[in-house]
Amino acid sequence: NAGVTQTPKFRVLKTGQSMTLLCAQDMNHEYMYWYRQDPGMGLRLIHYSVGEGTTAKGEVPDGYNVSRLKKQNFLLGLESAAPSQTSVYFCASSPTVVGETQYFGPGTRLLVL
Amino acid sequence: AQKVTQAQTEISVVEKEDVTLDCVYETRDTTYYLFWYKQPPSGELVFLIRRNSFDEQNEISGRYSWNFQKSTSSFNFTITASQVVDSAVYFCALYSGNTPLVFGKGTRLSVIA
Repeated sequence: NAGVTQTPKFRVLKTGQSMTLLCAQDMNHEYMYWYRQDPGMGLRLIHYSVGEGTTAKGEVPDGYNVSRLKKQNFLLGLESAAPSQTSVYFCASSPTVVGETQYFGPGTRLLVL
Repeated sequence: AQKVTQAQTEISVVEKEDVTLDCVYETRDTTYYLFWYKQPPSGELVFLIRRNSFDEQNEISGRYSWNFQKSTSSFNFTITASQVVDSAVYFCALYSGNTPLVFGKGTRLSVIA
């Protein structure tokens, strides 16, 4: 039981490049989330999904797209990376959203030059 | 709107001292859930506790204890006899109103040997 895993762990991009971050969970959770963490800002929700085939915007969705084609996977895409997207990205999952504990992946450190 | 305030940005204590991390929340809902997460220097987010709004009993787990007071909208976290391994960033979070988790900005705790 690996819990929540994220790929890659670290990535360097040039401005304008695109990439996809992969999140996978093996806990059969319905809900999945993408956060970004910046110094002094805590964790801010980018997008989330309440089930396979669904997505919704969070607090800071601009510049990102997501897809949930399979229940266990949640993809975060950057179509044209900008230096402002330099951050640590965390994926999380929970059985439902109603007060349930979210379990986090180890994070992906992204540097956009 | 839901909000979590962790007024202490950084705290530094000497090993074996007790330390309390403050968390103040705002919500108009009568049903809500509060969480604490720990983020050690390695970067992962570790779940510590979940408490619902109908359970105001304080909780103790080893050297950790939590004081939930609805009258002051606070959910404070105390570490007794702190150790160097307690050095981390601690996040308080709130779920209410059927919206995803809202995090505070975190408190960085440094325990000095």
